[in-house]
Amino acid sequence: GNSVTQMEGPVTLSEEAFLTINCTYTATGYPSLFWYVQYPGEGLQLLLKATKADDKGSNKGFEATYRKETTSFHLEKGSVQVSDSAVYFCALSDQGSHSSASKIIFGSGTRLSIRP
Amino acid sequence: GAVVSQHPSWVICKSGTSVKIECRSLDFQATTMFWYRQFPKQSLMLMATSNEGSKATYEQGVEKDKFLINHASLTLSTLTVTSAHPEDSSFYICSAPVYNEQFFGPGTRLTVL
Repeated sequence: GNSVTQMEGPVTLSEEAFLTINCTYTATGYPSLFWYVQYPGEGLQLLLKATKADDKGSNKGFEATYRKETTSFHLEKGSVQVSDSAVYFCALSDQGSHSSASKIIFGSGTRLSIRP
Repeated sequence: GAVVSQHPSWVICKSGTSVKIECRSLDFQATTMFWYRQFPKQSLMLMATSNEGSKATYEQGVEKDKFLINHASLTLSTLTVTSAHPEDSSFYICSAPVYNEQFFGPGTRLTVL
């Protein structure tokens, strides 16, 4: 079945460091891919998404490119801030982009801590 | 964006009692909602898909008699944890789709003593 594998954490970086959190997926068809973020004490928020191959999602300085050839959707940010400390989840929807009832399959989550 | 609410945000109950958690779509209609469970420092595990007007679809390994789901209207789904035990303590999250995007509720923390 469909699945998402992401880099194990926790990840600890210094402020302004470059961030990469790896994510690969297994899916039939053409899933949409997402990164969600969960800040301490808060609910899940969509960070960015990509709905087809070679699409690049971006938000708040974070980017991820949908790579069908490597089945990957790695999250990157050029210069992290203390406020980026959170848990990041890679996810896919297991139906096509025209479905309104797609369920989300999540990766295990990566806890990111940024030191001042 | 679309807003999903959950009530209560936290609940503590005694072992053997039942607890109902509500999930509401506030500014849109949702014929489908999803219920997830999140253990501490772990990922979200999909429990079931709630369908308005029909029975919920449960994921493998989820006891349907334990976790009762009722999609009462186009804006409300409820999850009832029946005869709760300490191992049911967890963070329960619902979501509702709008087109191909999911909007998540803030979650309900259940503690069973």
